[in-house]
Formats: sequence, structure tokens, C-alpha cells
Amino acid sequence: EPEVTQTPSHQVTQMGQEVILRCVPISNHLYFYWYRQILGQKVEFLVSFYNNEISEKSEIFDDQFSVERPDGSNFTLKIRSTKLEDSAMYFCASSELLGRGGYTFGSGTRLTVV
Amino acid sequence: GDSVTQMEGPVTLSEEAFLTINCTYTATGYPSLFWYVQYPGEGLQLLLKATKADDKGSNKGFEATYRKETTSFHLEKGSVQVSDSAVYFCALSGIGNTPLVFGKGTRLSVIA
Repeated sequence: EPEVTQTPSHQVTQMGQEVILRCVPISNHLYFYWYRQILGQKVEFLVSFYNNEISEKSEIFDDQFSVERPDGSNFTLKIRSTKLEDSAMYFCASSELLGRGGYTFGSGTRLTVV
Repeated sequence: GDSVTQMEGPVTLSEEAFLTINCTYTATGYPSLFWYVQYPGEGLQLLLKATKADDKGSNKGFEATYRKETTSFHLEKGSVQVSDSAVYFCALSGIGNTPLVFGKGTRLSVIA
């Protein structure tokens, strides 16, 4: 069964450093998403991406965050200057249809900011 | 905006017990409804879905029925197993191009 692949599975970074989280969505999917889950809390939407541009973003997705699809397969989330409160599990997802068919999620990247 | 409310956990059951995890939603129109499961150390997996009123989603012995009149999508399983121990998330996708919205999750522990 096709999978969404995320790397790395765990990243530790110092406060103020830049991090890039990587995702390879399912190849025939057109819509891509980033969500995050702070430990023990709900899964929160960050951003959706379609046709090489952001289609929607949440209040969490401020100027510190950016997304990119640098080639035909990767989808990245960059955090420019990490804060302690950015520590969370970050999930990438992709879908064929926008929303109604459900998303396929990756296994997540656990980001720890120290 | 759209929102999902699900019962607080944790829920602890003995093997073969009946499971219900309540989920209600607030949304405009007719959203699609989903249950996702997160096993320990893993990502979110789609468990089942329903896209219109009175639809029943089912998978791996789990069921949920889309009830428009009560705005609910409760998850049920007749006989749980230890392997069902996980966190269960109710979610909805609203009309238009709105992203998937999740409830807070309910942790289920099944003991032998």
C-alpha cells in the first residue's frame, strides 16, 4: 500500500536554529499538508499546499514557517528559528481529493528543541 | 468554525468488552467524518469514514454511523482486543476546501 514517508523520525535542535522536515507524499496525490501534535494534545492543522502554492494556513503557521516542493517528490517544512514551544510531532499528509476522501499520514517527525 | 468534540480518556477495558467512544461535531452543511487511530510510536491511520448522513463506516470490527440529527459519529466495537490499544481521533472535513479538523483524541487501553 502506498505510504507517505517522513524523515528524520526524530530531530533534536538548539533553540534559534533552522530545521527542515522532509516528506515524500504518495506519488499521484495532489494535495499536501502539515499538521503538528504537541505531546498529549490535539492534532493541529498548519498548512495545506496545492499546485505549488499554499492553499490555506492556520494562525500557528507564522513567518517562522515555510513550505516548499523543491522537486517532483519532496515536500518540506522549514522552521527558520526554532523556539522551545515548537517541540512537537510533525505529521505530513497527502490526499487525492481535497478533504472528503481522507488523508494518508506519514509516521511523523518528533522535533525536540532544547 | 468547524469543530469536533470527543469523550475524554483514558478508557480502560478488559479484552472482549464492548467499546463506545463518543464523538460529536459542529459544522456547516454536510461534512465528511472520519476516525483515525494512532498506535504507540506510529503515525495516524485512517480507520473508517462516512461521507453522508446515515452512512456507516466500518473496518477491523469497528463501526461508526453518521447521525445528522444528533451531529454524532460514535465509534463502536463489539469485542476489543489488546491489540486495539491506541489513541483514537475523530475528525471532519467540512464543505468547500477546509482542512481536516481533529478532536483531542481518546486513549484506549485494553487489558488481558
